[in-house]
Amino acid sequence: ETGVTQTPRHLVMGMTNKKSLKCEQHLGHNAMYWYKQSAKKPLELMFVYSLEERVENNSVPSRFSPECPNSSHLFLHLHTLQPEDSALYLCASRPDSGANVLTFGAGSRLTVL
Amino acid sequence: QKEVEQNSGPLSVPEGAIASLNCTYSDRGSQSFFWYRQYSGKSPELIMSIYSNGDKEDGRFTAQLNKASQYVSLLIRDSQPSDSATYLCAVTRLLNQFYFGTGTSLTVIP
Repeated sequence: ETGVTQTPRHLVMGMTNKKSLKCEQHLGHNAMYWYKQSAKKPLELMFVYSLEERVENNSVPSRFSPECPNSSHLFLHLHTLQPEDSALYLCASRPDSGANVLTFGAGSRLTVL
Repeated sequence: QKEVEQNSGPLSVPEGAIASLNCTYSDRGSQSFFWYRQYSGKSPELIMSIYSNGDKEDGRFTAQLNKASQYVSLLIRDSQPSDSATYLCAVTRLLNQFYFGTGTSLTVIP
């Protein structure tokens, strides 16, 4: 596989469930991102993992928990979500050197009932 | 104040016309500027990047940057129905801080 792969593509969960989103990149990049995309809103940066730093958006609720075991894999653990968390969750990666450009995965469409 | 502002549209142009998309940003220290295209139900894909004042052309696409006015634009010449999508403007100052606008929806009418 090439590029940035996200699984699952679609997820429906209840507010009491625990689930995880997975992202894997095969581009040799060293920085990975989670973005939330809601209708009529800008992409919201949630978390960044890179060789230089880990960045957390302080406005992201603690019911979202990231995990980055290595430079190729990124997880977003979900726990006791709310209906307003329903959105498209996009993973992206960036090379450590060269063009400072993000490559996005196809996204995970999350619906919280 | 929003980091990046775009007119959400929708913008409609006839096939073959020039589509003009605009973006303003608030951080004068921004250094890199990008246009992404997002088809409905798909993820954003990079179509143009620009780093210095002036114009940058790539095929039918031209990005224009004016740092003094904090303004970035994208021109699409000879618009095609396949160009119908939402166009996202993104800017970054620090290495990991990418900020996106809400996007402009473009429809090219055959």
